[in-house]
Amino acid sequence: EPEVTQTPSHQVTQMGQEVILRCVPISNHLYFYWYRQILGQKVEFLVSFYNNEISEKSEIFDDQFSVERPDGSNFTLKIRSTKLEDSAMYFCASLAGLTKNIQYFGAGTRLSVL
Amino acid sequence: KQEVTQIPAALSVPEGENLVLNCSFTDSAIYNLQWFRQDPGKGLTSLLLIQSSQREQTSGRLNASLDKSSGRSTLYIAASQPGDSATYLCAVRHYNYGQNFVFGPGTRLSVLP
Repeated sequence: EPEVTQTPSHQVTQMGQEVILRCVPISNHLYFYWYRQILGQKVEFLVSFYNNEISEKSEIFDDQFSVERPDGSNFTLKIRSTKLEDSAMYFCASLAGLTKNIQYFGAGTRLSVL
Repeated sequence: KQEVTQIPAALSVPEGENLVLNCSFTDSAIYNLQWFRQDPGKGLTSLLLIQSSQREQTSGRLNASLDKSSGRSTLYIAASQPGDSATYLCAVRHYNYGQNFVFGPGTRLSVLP
């Protein structure tokens, strides 16, 4: 069974610091996503990425956030200056193509901003 | 804007019972609907995917149905076991560019031995 890998599993940072969350999507997948889940709340869409550019983003994904696929295998989410309210579980997902329908999710990175 | 709701928010049943979890969505122009399982503090495990053209999907003791026109899906779990205890999430994808998921809040299931 193919899987999406996320590292680290838990990241602790001080408010104002930059963090980079890393994801290795399933090889040969073309669409990549980041979602987040604040403790006790719904899973929320952040951003989708295709063909080396953002295809859609939510209102949560403001200028503090950026995504990158630096080397053809990793897919990263950067938060430039973390806030307390960024504390959440962040999930990466990938999709083979629009006709291949199952979106595979990683195990998540728990981000704790102190 | 698509809204997804799930009822009940929490459910506690004795082992062996059959149960139904409900999911509703406001905009029926969906591409597909997926049911996930989430254990506390863990990631999302895909259970069943139903295309918009399908009425149901089955996997083992799980059966998911979809009534797109009424904006509803149900997840039926037969002969529940304590290992089924988890939060069950439904999510829908739209015919929009990027095709991200909109998630429901989940139903927290406890199956008592």
